[in-house]
Amino acid sequence: DIQLTQSPPSLSASVGDRVTITCRASQGISSYLAWYQQTPGKIPKLLIYAASTLQSGVPSRFSGSGSGTDFTLTISSLQPEDVATYYCQSYNSAPLFTFGPGTKVDIK
Amino acid sequence: QVQLQESGPGLVKPSETLALTCTVSGGSISSNYWSWIRQTPGKGLEWIGYIYFSGRTDYNPTLKSRVTISLDTSNNQFSLKLSSVTAADTAVYYCVRHGEGSSVFFFESWGQGTLVTVSS
Repeated sequence: DIQLTQSPPSLSASVGDRVTITCRASQGISSYLAWYQQTPGKIPKLLIYAASTLQSGVPSRFSGSGSGTDFTLTISSLQPEDVATYYCQSYNSAPLFTFGPGTKVDIK
Repeated sequence: QVQLQESGPGLVKPSETLALTCTVSGGSISSNYWSWIRQTPGKGLEWIGYIYFSGRTDYNPTLKSRVTISLDTSNNQFSLKLSSVTAADTAVYYCVRHGEGSSVFFFESWGQGTLVTVSS
């Protein structure tokens, strides 16, 4: 089974800071990786798919990169509305879809 | 804009079968892939299985022996059945639509989620 690890598990940053979250896959998954944002009490929202493609309507301060086993989600300038837990998700072999444990982002 | 809404009992007894329905509006269920995903504080997000509009299914191997997902095109719904439930199946259950084209492997639209508690 594929495993996804995320680091850090949580972070606290100031408004305007550049924030980077990493997702590492236990085996190569090409570019079959997505990032989701879940704000407190809300449902997950697709931000980026295919490792680097921004979902329609998502602010351009969000970006994704990587392929194979190492991926990154970057928020170029953290905003108060970005307080959330961020999850990566992969598509691979059984199970077909796996989620990372999440990274909680707070405002300092 | 497609919308999804889960419905079903919020409380299920241990050893019984959990049954949920997802009603799709604003789009036809006769296209695309449709999944069930659950979320718990302890295990996070877990994919349960999907159904394609053709009726093809695939399930998470850890749940495969207990899961059935089916389609009701006449009512624009799809359903989840999870048998022999235990407290470990207590979770928020989401019905989800996959994206299309290059985003088909990802989850584009989510229902609001429904909490199902397994308890006697």
